[in-house]
Amino acid sequence: GQQVMQIPQYQHVQEGEDFTTYCNSSTTLSNIQWYKQRPGGHPVFLIQLVKSGEVKKQKRLTFQFGEAKKNSSLHITATQTTDVGTYFCAGRPPMDSNYQLIWGAGTKLIIKP
Amino acid sequence: DVKVTQSSRYLVKRTGEKVFLECVQDMDHENMFWYRQDPGLGLRLIYFSYDVKMKEKGDIPEGYSVSREKKERFSLILESASTNQTSMYLCASWSGLGNTIYFGEGSWLTVV
Repeated sequence: GQQVMQIPQYQHVQEGEDFTTYCNSSTTLSNIQWYKQRPGGHPVFLIQLVKSGEVKKQKRLTFQFGEAKKNSSLHITATQTTDVGTYFCAGRPPMDSNYQLIWGAGTKLIIKP
Repeated sequence: DVKVTQSSRYLVKRTGEKVFLECVQDMDHENMFWYRQDPGLGLRLIYFSYDVKMKEKGDIPEGYSVSREKKERFSLILESASTNQTSMYLCASWSGLGNTIYFGEGSWLTVV
């Protein structure tokens, strides 16, 4: 079946270091969404990418959608303690009529003291 | 401000008990979802509903059922709870293609 692989599962960084998480789909996606879930909280929408090769920025966060619309990345520059949480990607297959998003397993960002 | 409310934040139930998890949204969304979230497995779709009284199975429907009698309310039912259903359950609501999915706060269920 359709899958979205997200790596790494965990990433430990020192505060101030950069962080990147990657998602790769087994099929072409019509769009991809990114969510952040703080510890003990629920996923919160960050952004949606639709176009091939699209790059969007939110302050220190940079989101990219691959040219083939099968992969995506989220890069955080100079991490802060407020960035701690799990980041999920969720892709929508094209021509999918059953409303389902396909979720990556998430990457947990841990800031080392 | 959008709101998805899950009735119970933390529950402890015994094996074999029937469990109801309630979810209410105030955004007039057609689509509602129930996910479970387990460490390392991300979000897995249990059931979803795209209209009142309509439901479809997600990836892991076994051991669960759902009810959507009113547009704003989507209930997840564990007919006979088992220990492998100990998990965090997330309800979500969505208006349609291209729009954001909104999640509830989550319900932490422990089955002993």
